Amino acid sequence: AQKITQTQPGMFVQEKEAVTLDCTYDTSDQSYGLFWYKQPSSGEMIFLIYQGSYDEQNATEGRYSLNFQKARKSANLVISASQLGDSAMYFCAMREGPSNDYKLSFGAGTTVTVRA
Amino acid sequence: NAGVMQNPRHLVRRRGQEARLRCSPMKGHSHVYWYRQLPEEGLKFMVYLQKENIIDESGMPKERFSAEFPKEGPSILRIQQVVRGDSAAYFCASSPLSPGPSSYEQYFGPGTRLTVT
Repeated sequence: AQKITQTQPGMFVQEKEAVTLDCTYDTSDQSYGLFWYKQPSSGEMIFLIYQGSYDEQNATEGRYSLNFQKARKSANLVISASQLGDSAMYFCAMREGPSNDYKLSFGAGTTVTVRA
Repeated sequence: NAGVMQNPRHLVRRRGQEARLRCSPMKGHSHVYWYRQLPEEGLKFMVYLQKENIIDESGMPKERFSAEFPKEGPSILRIQQVVRGDSAAYFCASSPLSPGPSSYEQYFGPGTRLTVT
């Protein structure tokens, strides 16, 4: 079974608008972590934001915020005030398991294209 | 403070040859993870190593693939007798000896793009 599901293969957003990228996850662990990474066309993986399963507040990092809904097992990424440089592939990922095993499970990704 | 380094960045091999991918973790990091990204897909976990130990190799193909992280030197992902289906980007990530409770301390290298012709 898929651990991370990203249902939007591609999205277009107008510059300066906000965009929400969907992510749902599947785990039976009580302790887990959720991550978002950005992969521009150059190929590197850039860490954006992290949410722990016990964190009561939604994580925010600059223009990025994570809408964490634990009961629904969703961890959507919101990018506010989109910029042309935000055009990239975005991956949702989850860490589960014992605290000393940090392997990540990734979703298939969402391609975001920002239009001027 | 140098980040995770991977080399080569691009590697071309003919079918049947061996590919060796190297990963030098960040200074002070003793945990290394290898992931594979096939075209148009997300990253898939392959193997997790600590110095001189393989901790979790549940994502490694059963044949032709091996990984090591010796006491000295980089971690090596080795693919023997490569086939076209091995063409992918291979990413290495590292984390510290004692990851903190916030648990996002996994840093990715730039990846090695392997092309099998």
